[in-house]
Amino acid sequence: DQQVKQNSPSLSVQEGRISILNCDYTNSMFDYFLWYKKYPAEGPTFLISISSIKDKNEDGRFTVFLNKSAKHLSLHIVPSQPGDSAVYFCAASGGGGKLIFGQGTELSVKP
Amino acid sequence: EAGVAQSPRYKIIEKRQSVAFWCNPISGHATLYWYQQILGQGPKLLIQFQNNGVVDDSQLPKDRFSAERLKGVDSTLKIQPAKLEDSAVYLCASSLGGLAGVEQFFGPGTRLTVL
Repeated sequence: DQQVKQNSPSLSVQEGRISILNCDYTNSMFDYFLWYKKYPAEGPTFLISISSIKDKNEDGRFTVFLNKSAKHLSLHIVPSQPGDSAVYFCAASGGGGKLIFGQGTELSVKP
Repeated sequence: EAGVAQSPRYKIIEKRQSVAFWCNPISGHATLYWYQQILGQGPKLLIQFQNNGVVDDSQLPKDRFSAERLKGVDSTLKIQPAKLEDSAVYLCASSLGGLAGVEQFFGPGTRLTVL
């Protein structure tokens, strides 16, 4: 039973364009959502988060949108850079600190 | 500020052997997590400690996996005996916990290969 799903295993984008990574969840009790970025042979690093009381959070080139009625969140990267090429995980928390991760989307930004 | 430290970085063992992983969290972080990440999947929580007490170990295969966090700082995760399906990256993470923040900080992981 996958409570957090990232249905696109990979995404390829041209440098300078927008990257949109999607994530769906099933548990309406989740109250906090996070995006992590992972390079090969490294641990995931925190990128951006959003509380369920908001519908948008922005940090530089990264914006996360939350649609609670659709149980959907997305990460927008504008403009995309080759250094953004990595695996991106969305994660959800329902309290207690425990995170439930999606399967990840591998982003490739081509020069 | 030093990050989460893990060792070893890589380990290759034969099935039925035992193995142990070590984690040193960020100083001051009360909450420590061990995750298992199988290739092509997201990290899956194995066990969560708050100081030296277990908060959640519902996903830990207790017949072969054990973990401890003595003195509320370092932690070790042990597998005995290992199975082929235990091949994965084992990630340790820490956080301030509670209302101080949900964000978890991850170590580089230990890649385990069971032959």
